[in-house]
Amino acid sequence: LAKTTQPISMDSYEGQEVNITCSHNNIATNDYITWYQQFPSQGPRFIIQGYKTKVTNEVASLFIPADRKSSTLSLPRVSLSDTAVYYCLVGSGPTGANNLFFGTGTRLTVIP
Amino acid sequence: GAGVSQSPRYKVAKRGQDVALRCDPISGHVSLFWYQQALGQGPEFLTYFQNEAQLDKSGLPSDRFFAERPEGSVSTLKIQRTQQEDSAVYLCASSLGTGWGQPQHFGDGTRLSIL
Repeated sequence: LAKTTQPISMDSYEGQEVNITCSHNNIATNDYITWYQQFPSQGPRFIIQGYKTKVTNEVASLFIPADRKSSTLSLPRVSLSDTAVYYCLVGSGPTGANNLFFGTGTRLTVIP
Repeated sequence: GAGVSQSPRYKVAKRGQDVALRCDPISGHVSLFWYQQALGQGPEFLTYFQNEAQLDKSGLPSDRFFAERPEGSVSTLKIQRTQQEDSAVYLCASSLGTGWGQPQHFGDGTRLSIL
């Protein structure tokens, strides 16, 4: 049973804010939420991580509602270089296929 | 500073051959992970090392897959008697600590093609 569900793809115009939502209905108390970005022919790159409420860094914000059953990655003013696949992970243990489940991710295409 | 380095970047082998894929993690990183990524799919966990100890190999698809990290730094993923379904990108990642909150730093992978 997949731990997370994301939209398969999204399109956005340059300069817009993009919000990608991840559903994780069975999130456990100790679980954290982590997002990675992957460009073609490259390994994934860590974007942001959070446990509850809101986390912001220089590239993105992560919004987590009180029930933690979903989370939203927000990318402000996207550019063409933000075209990539975005993965949401949920887990707390150090390892294991269940805790390191990437799924198929969300393919974001930024349009000029 | 240097990131995670994987070699070779591309490997072509005939079915039945053995292959070895190398990963040089970031210096000082305790945790090391191997993933397999099929075309159009996300990475799938294979195995995890904490220093030289292989603590989790639950994702290895068969006993033809073997990984080692003998001195707690460089790691090698070996695939014996390769089959066509082994064709994929193999990704290595390392993290500084052992907690789940530590972000993983990925290499760019080795693309393995089995003919």
